[in-house]
Amino acid sequence: QKEVEQDPGPLSVPEGAIVSLNCTYSNSAFQYFMWYRQYSRKGPELLMYTYSSGNKEDGRFTAQVDKSSKYISLFIRDSQPSDSATYLCAMSLGYGQNFVFGPGTRLSVLP
Amino acid sequence: GAVVSQHPSWVICKSGTSVKIECRSLDFQATTMFWYRQFPKQSLMLMATSNEGSKATYEQGVEKDKFLINHASLTLSTLTVTSAHPEDSSFYICSAIRGLAGSEQFFGPGTRLTVL
Repeated sequence: QKEVEQDPGPLSVPEGAIVSLNCTYSNSAFQYFMWYRQYSRKGPELLMYTYSSGNKEDGRFTAQVDKSSKYISLFIRDSQPSDSATYLCAMSLGYGQNFVFGPGTRLSVLP
Repeated sequence: GAVVSQHPSWVICKSGTSVKIECRSLDFQATTMFWYRQFPKQSLMLMATSNEGSKATYEQGVEKDKFLINHASLTLSTLTVTSAHPEDSSFYICSAIRGLAGSEQFFGPGTRLTVL
């Protein structure tokens, strides 16, 4: 079993749809959870980070962490064509610890 | 958000030459930086962890003598690909950790290396 699993997609949705991206993980010691967006031929961009369980909202983005289920989600409301990218989840044990990435989900938002 | 820069953004070199890639945290100090490699349509693969003032920690399977890492200051880490070969052609991305809790990792824009 891989340490972090993520559906690679591709996921295609119409403009304006709510997008749900998910990752599962096996190591219950992870404490920090991140979502990155990566456009083609660019470095990843940090979207959201959360510590432990709970929800965090920032504009059209909401991140959820359920440590009991070892499951994290990123919701994108009112999706736009500019949201078309690869979304990577990542998690870390703590300070200065390497981040473990999911393989990424390719999202296409169709106008 | 915090800014991490990489230079150069794109480099082409001949087989057998060495290439140096710089990673800088522009508006914060980073005691820890990471170097990743990414192949097309694949996720990031960690190569090494770079700590300021000490030797880098390499992941299994990464050749230390081929990928030289120097973290000379709190804002600069360099990756030197020595005696590059075509199979070293890839997208190299660095990242830097900001904050006392080390909870935020910011990525550079990446460097595309093509070895002819």
